[in-house]
Amino acid sequence: KAGVTQTPRYLIKTRGQQVTLSCSPISGHRSVSWYQQTPGQGLQFLFEYFSETQRNKGNFPGRFSGRQFSNSRSEMNVSTLELGDSALYLCASSRGQVATEAFFGQGTRLTVV
Amino acid sequence: AQKVTQAQTEISVVEKEDVTLDCVYETRDTTYYLFWYKQPPSGELVFLIRRNSFDEQNEISGRYSWNFQKSTSSFNFTITASQVVDSAVYFCALSEARPGANSKLTFGKGITLSVRP
Repeated sequence: KAGVTQTPRYLIKTRGQQVTLSCSPISGHRSVSWYQQTPGQGLQFLFEYFSETQRNKGNFPGRFSGRQFSNSRSEMNVSTLELGDSALYLCASSRGQVATEAFFGQGTRLTVV
Repeated sequence: AQKVTQAQTEISVVEKEDVTLDCVYETRDTTYYLFWYKQPPSGELVFLIRRNSFDEQNEISGRYSWNFQKSTSSFNFTITASQVVDSAVYFCALSEARPGANSKLTFGKGITLSVRP
């Protein structure tokens, strides 16, 4: 069965621009979580969506937002990009109700210049 | 608040050596899950194992084994007879386990394992 698909794989954006990243979870999985990975801060939780509702949010500024569609696909948006937003953004899907094993995509590598 | 500490940052071994990756966690939850993930250079986090807090039975899967000790809040991971393909960054993670809880994972900083031929 198909894994978690993230698009695009690589992005280069300029400071001040906005960006939208996409994640298609494994079929049947209703929970999608987003993580930011940087060399300095490691893996940090951004937010989680379950059945189109944000169930939890990490400690990130309001420039980071997300949504989930009825087919469980999710998008995250970062507005007014800063150099510090350069990171690997990972999406994870899981069945949902409690923390089962989460399956990760290969990530989107965002570079802000 | 939950916290995961992986005190080792980098480990280098020669192929066929055994290696143990340490993980210490902190949580106020009485029930929780512990995980190990592997991140090869391709970037994708690969799930290795999940343990429930109420099940301290240690597990062996091929060359991998895990030692969960609630008394010391540790969940260590051992690779026996390491291979070059084991070279990756290994993350220990923690999450709540109560029904209705979200799936948020709290990760440690990761351990970079290099296995030399």
